[in-house]
Formats: sequence, C-alpha cells, structure tokens
Amino acid sequence: QVQLQESGPGLVKPSETLSLTCTVSGGSISNFYWTWIRQPPGKGLEWIGYIYYSGSTNYNPSLKSRVTISVETSKNQFSLKVTSVTAADTAVYYCARGGGSYSYWGQGTLVTVSS
Amino acid sequence: DIQMTQSPSSLSASVGDRVTITCRASQTISSYLNWYQQKPGKAPKLLIYATSSLQSGVPSRFSGSGSGTDFTLTISSLQPEDFATYYCQQSYNTPFTFGPGTTVDIK
Repeated sequence: QVQLQESGPGLVKPSETLSLTCTVSGGSISNFYWTWIRQPPGKGLEWIGYIYYSGSTNYNPSLKSRVTISVETSKNQFSLKVTSVTAADTAVYYCARGGGSYSYWGQGTLVTVSS
Repeated sequence: DIQMTQSPSSLSASVGDRVTITCRASQTISSYLNWYQQKPGKAPKLLIYATSSLQSGVPSRFSGSGSGTDFTLTISSLQPEDFATYYCQQSYNTPFTFGPGTTVDIK
C-alpha cells in the first residue's frame, strides 16, 4: 500500500523559507505526478503545484514566484520550498500522488509562520 | 483561474436521508471533476473522479453526475460515517481549484 509522509519544521519565521519533504513508501516515485496542497486552519484547500518524476513542474501562479518543487528519485522523495513566508502561509501542508485527482495523501503537517 | 462554487455551504441531515451537493464551475471543465470527503484532522479522501467514476473501496451509496459546468454528488442513504465536509475539485486546467466545501452534519 502506497504511503506518503510529510516532514519538516512546524514553525517558520516570517520572511524565511518553508521547506518540507514527502517520503513515499510502498511504491516507486517513478511514472507518477506528485502534488503539494495546503489548507489554512479552518479554511479550504489550495493547490500549490505538482512535479512529474522526471522533474517537470507546474505551479499555482498565485505562489509561482516563491515556490519550488523538486524530486529525488533515488530517495523516493519530493520536496517543497516556499520563500519569503508570511502569516498567510500558515497551513496544513499535504503531499499527494497524482497530477489531477489524488487517491493517496500524506497525513498533513501544520506549518505555522510566526516570530 | 476556474472558480468553483458549491451549494449548500452546509446542511443538516439524518441517517438514511438522500443528500445532494451541487458544484458549479465558472467555465466548462468537461468531465474533469473530482469529489473528496474530509473529516476533522484528516486528509481528504477521494470519492469520485472524472465526474462519475467511483474510487476503489468507496461505498456505492456515493455517486456523481454532471458535465460542462454543473455537477452533483449524491449520497443515496446517509450513514453515520458520512458526516464530514465534501469538496469538489476541477482538474481541467491548472491551477487546479477546489470548491469551498459543503459540511454535512447531523440533524
């Protein structure tokens, strides 16, 4: 059974960079799209972007200038970086498998932006 | 961006009720519409993809229909474990976007 697990700091200071990693187990990262989605506390879901295992990416224009998604196939991991964070970036961040619909999700990790 | 709306934003229902949730896209999305269920503190769970295809393991009381801009999710007989928030999502054009959610709670 495919499982995804997010990891990274739960607290990031304003103006700094948020960095998260998603580790995929129970299956290969190859031949799939991998996505990051976030959900501010008490609010709805926002698509951040995806990466294909080969490295091609597609980002939400609302975040594009601040977001980088990368993949490390040898470790079966993909990562998210968001630069220059503000309180508006406080959210539960989910990683998921798929380019359009998402049948496998991580449990989510809360990242709080605060000094 | 394609804007997704849902109605109602919340509803109260009883076990055994038939429940219908509507999702509308701001432009045509063909059949690229997915439905998710989310319970508090949990990741969303895919219920329906491509408008009407039931995800493996999802009970058959869930069904989806529609095309173009108007879509529905129907729960034929609400069960206690179905009380949750439901989101629609378009996967026609990036950025993929979600509806604001419909919360189904106990009457």
